Amino acid sequence: ELKVEQNPLFLSMQEGKNYTIYCNYSTTSDRLYWYRQDPGKSLESLFVLLSNGAVKQEGRLMASLDTKARLSTLHITAAVHDLSATYFCAALGSSNTGKLIFGQGTTLQVKP
Amino acid sequence: DAMVIQNPRYQVTQFGKPVTLSCSQTLNHNVMYWYQQKSSQAPKLLFHYYDKDFNNEADTPDNFQSRRPNTSFCFLDIRSPGLGDAAMYLCATRLSGQGNTEAFFGQGTRLTVV
Repeated sequence: ELKVEQNPLFLSMQEGKNYTIYCNYSTTSDRLYWYRQDPGKSLESLFVLLSNGAVKQEGRLMASLDTKARLSTLHITAAVHDLSATYFCAALGSSNTGKLIFGQGTTLQVKP
Repeated sequence: DAMVIQNPRYQVTQFGKPVTLSCSQTLNHNVMYWYQQKSSQAPKLLFHYYDKDFNNEADTPDNFQSRRPNTSFCFLDIRSPGLGDAAMYLCATRLSGQGNTEAFFGQGTRLTVV
């Protein structure tokens, strides 16, 4: 059964600092997704990672995937207050049924 | 333009009164998901359709049912809502196959049970 775990679950950081969120998954996965969620809102797609070694960057966020280690990371560079949100990773099961399973989420609070 | 549309955005229902939430998509995606998300928790997969094949999660209560009459529409029926069913319900779609990537989410329906 596919399980997804994130850490840390809560992250409080100063503006301008760097940090990394980790996402581990338990079984082979076809692809890995990262989403952002603001309070009371739905999920906003950030990245989709398809293959081992994939790296994608958008602004201050960079995501990577290591399929051998079953690990994805979301790296935040020089954080700004606008990045405060909850970040979820989700792994797609490799079976034909295509389950999409979420991690617990990481709540990021960026302080001025 | 919104590609995955959920209606209504907010639903208030009485304890025990059946309620139906809807999801429609303009993407012609063959996979559709329903998630329940409670406050400060991760989205929890209730069930999903892969084409016409229905996949129910083992821990989804029998109180929750789903229908997918065609590719574009999917419904979540809660037969007898309890207070514990108050949550945000999220619908998502995806096109299966190699290279097909994005999983798109609707805006969600926030369900209140009174």
